[in-house]
Amino acid sequence: KQEVTQIPAALSVPEGENLVLNCSFTDSAIYNLQWFRQDPGKGLTSLLLIQSSQREQTSGRLNASLDKSSGRSTLYIAASQPGDSATYLCAVKAGANNLFFGTGTRLTVIP
Amino acid sequence: DAGVTQSPTHLIKTRGQQVTLRCSPISGHKSVSWYQQVLGQGPQFIFQYYEKEERGRGNFPDRFSARQFPNYSSELNVNALLLGDSALYLCASSLDWSPTNTEAFFGQGTRLTVV
Repeated sequence: KQEVTQIPAALSVPEGENLVLNCSFTDSAIYNLQWFRQDPGKGLTSLLLIQSSQREQTSGRLNASLDKSSGRSTLYIAASQPGDSATYLCAVKAGANNLFFGTGTRLTVIP
Repeated sequence: DAGVTQSPTHLIKTRGQQVTLRCSPISGHKSVSWYQQVLGQGPQFIFQYYEKEERGRGNFPDRFSARQFPNYSSELNVNALLLGDSALYLCASSLDWSPTNTEAFFGQGTRLTVV
């Protein structure tokens, strides 16, 4: 069964710092990997989608990488801002074409 | 363009009651999936529908059921509610059922509280 782990569970950084969030998954047979942002009590906002054949994707200050063979992905956030404070979830699409989620990293950016 | 819309946004039900949650996908999207997110956890897959047919089911009891309509909107039904069903229920929309090249877009969720 596919299991997704995110480390750290929580992270607090000062504004302007660059940071990396980690995601690992147990089965490398994935179709793609998606990073989401979730504000408290709200739905999920898709940030980046990486296909299994790709190594990385970039959107603005965000860069996500994928190493399928080792079962790892990272989300790099450059020049963090207080508005980046949220929970970040990674999910892999695998198996019967559904998403398997990690438990998220709760990010706080301190002004 | 409207994103994924879910209704209601909040709901309080009593144990043993039944509930129906609704989802309208992004225009042109034909696949809808449902996820349950318990506080502090990642979402768990419940159902996937494509072209009105069930294409996948997660590890949830038969009290959970769903359907998709000809306009691709969907309903999630939960019978005989338990306290443990309290969660944020999320609907995801995607263009089709292809496992690759299909980004999932989520709605704002329905917060269900069972008392």
